[in-house]
Amino acid sequence: GAVVSQHPSWVICKSGTSVKIECRSLDFQATTMFWYRQFPKQSLMLMATSNEGSKATYEQGVEKDKFLINHASLTLSTLTVTSAHPEDSSFYICSASPSGIGPDTQYFGPGTRLTVL
Amino acid sequence: ELKVEQNPLFLSMQEGKNYTIYCNYSTTSDRLYWYRQDPGKSLESLFVLLSNGAVKQEGRLMASLDTKARLSTLHITAAVHDLSATYFCAGAPSGTYKYIFGTGTRLKVLA
Repeated sequence: GAVVSQHPSWVICKSGTSVKIECRSLDFQATTMFWYRQFPKQSLMLMATSNEGSKATYEQGVEKDKFLINHASLTLSTLTVTSAHPEDSSFYICSASPSGIGPDTQYFGPGTRLTVL
Repeated sequence: ELKVEQNPLFLSMQEGKNYTIYCNYSTTSDRLYWYRQDPGKSLESLFVLLSNGAVKQEGRLMASLDTKARLSTLHITAAVHDLSATYFCAGAPSGTYKYIFGTGTRLKVLA
């Protein structure tokens, strides 16, 4: 149990285009989901907290107009990188907290590698 | 603001040897997590430590937590090649659910 999927697992796009990444909790409902980014050989940095039915909370320094987050259902959160540029190339990982257990338990997705040319 | 640091950043060791990875954190953390990450992959949960003195073991890995010293350790016993990976610890500031990750320790076990 407690499986989180991400789609796509790998994407290459041209500079200036937008890319949508999906994060799904497959066998549980998740009121809260989190989005992280990881640069090569570096640690994970929390970008934002996504709550179902409400606006996401962004960490300091993360542009909310660039990284649009939508958490429209209890099993799906999406991250859209708008007008992507090469510096947005990174590994994006989501995590989900099962509803009713509390956000201190997070299950991580497999990650999405974004390369912007 | 919680900051989490790991030591060492890189570790190369021979099979059969023991070693410890250290995770220091700057302020109170409700919980301490250890994760493993293989190249190009996401995180695999290893341990969750909830209280002072907590010790958990799984196979050749053992994690402990000293909240007074704000220190967690991940001890590797008789390392094998399959343990080669990057290991992260993460804390959660008191009253929040935000994971703050350490710098990571890249472990390479030589056959």
